[in-house]
Amino acid sequence: NAGVTQTPKFRILKIGQSMTLQCAQDMNHNYMYWYRQDPGMGLKLIYYSVGAGITDKGEVPNGYNVSRSTTEDFPLRLELAAPSQTSVYFCASSIQGVGGNEQFFGPGTRLTVL
Amino acid sequence: QQPVQSPQAVILREGEDAVINCSSSKALYSVHWYRQKHGEAPVFLMILLKGGEQKGHEKISASFNEKKQQSSLYLTASQLSYSGTYFCGTEGFSGTSYGKLTFGQGTILTVHP
Repeated sequence: NAGVTQTPKFRILKIGQSMTLQCAQDMNHNYMYWYRQDPGMGLKLIYYSVGAGITDKGEVPNGYNVSRSTTEDFPLRLELAAPSQTSVYFCASSIQGVGGNEQFFGPGTRLTVL
Repeated sequence: QQPVQSPQAVILREGEDAVINCSSSKALYSVHWYRQKHGEAPVFLMILLKGGEQKGHEKISASFNEKKQQSSLYLTASQLSYSGTYFCGTEGFSGTSYGKLTFGQGTILTVHP
């Protein structure tokens, strides 16, 4: 199993550009999450999904959109990129909700907006 | 609300012990602990659930005081590989906090030979 995969690994955007961060998992997990991590800080939840077709906002959803058409994929869309969105983005998955279930993280996408 | 971790940083020599604390202002259903090495993704260490159930790493132990909404991670006989940033993630009981983790700011642990 590849686990959780993310593409691209690095990306530089200009202000106002848009892009999609890809995330896929092959563990048949129901729950998927997108986090951002600013330098020297903890992880902040952007959006999460409890299954295909169901998504909900996390702590910092502004400026982002998500969709979940399949169990495996959970892309994150950035519209009109801003310097404040410079961060490392992690996708994670778990078989069910967090209660007793660990989250598996992807390797991350390092995004710089100039 | 974000849980508060203490200390912010710890420096150890191999073989020494350390305790990292995580405190929340709300009632907790679960506490998760993750370790992150520089430039890498967080890696799961431990889950503590209300009621005392624990799941996790054999060589790392933790406690969960439900009344005080606090958890502590105990690292004994530290090894060089223990170096990294440790994060607690907390899950509340109801409303917007259930089913999601809120992470602390992290504790940087450095182990020297």
